[in-house]
Amino acid sequence: KAGVTQTPRYLIKTRGQQVTLSCSPISGHRSVSWYQQTPGQGLQFLFEYFSETQRNKGNFPGRFSGRQFSNSRSEMNVSTLELGDSALYLCASSLDLVQETQYFGPGTRLLVL
Amino acid sequence: GIQVEQSPPDLILQEGANSTLRCNFSDSVNNLQWFHQNPWGQLINLFYIPSGTKQNGRLSATTVATERYSLLYISSSQTTDSGVYFCAVETKTSYDKVIFGPGTSLSVIP
Repeated sequence: KAGVTQTPRYLIKTRGQQVTLSCSPISGHRSVSWYQQTPGQGLQFLFEYFSETQRNKGNFPGRFSGRQFSNSRSEMNVSTLELGDSALYLCASSLDLVQETQYFGPGTRLLVL
Repeated sequence: GIQVEQSPPDLILQEGANSTLRCNFSDSVNNLQWFHQNPWGQLINLFYIPSGTKQNGRLSATTVATERYSLLYISSSQTTDSGVYFCAVETKTSYDKVIFGPGTSLSVIP
């Protein structure tokens, strides 16, 4: 099976812009979670989607949003970018909400100038 | 919220040595996973281990849920084991559902 894929892999934006990141889970996986990784805060949970519904959410402002499509692919959007949004954004998929085993994609490196 | 701590923060090993990494968590959790992040940033799941002991080759893990800790054992370390090891817990709430520890950075030198 193909692994989790994320696009784009690298992205440079300027403050105030918005960005959309995409994640395609492993075939058959229905749960997609998003994480932000920064040197200062480490790995932080953003949100989880299952069957096109957001099931769980981390401690992030409303500028961070996401959605999941019927084929389980997911997108996350960050509006009004700030310098502090520069990070590695990781997507993980798992079979269901139990998240017995999460499989991570390679990540999208976002740099906000 | 739940606090997750890992020790040691940094570890340097000679190739062939053994090591034990520890993860402590402050409250009961639904499950616990161990991950390895390679130098290119890729996170790889090592173990899903809410309780008990599991082994996979040179790696093994033990979680004692009642005492709120988990251990990851690496035997006969190789240079390819270098990277950062994270434990992550799934909380019993829907807010901050998954919490990662700060990681243990491992360097294995030839």
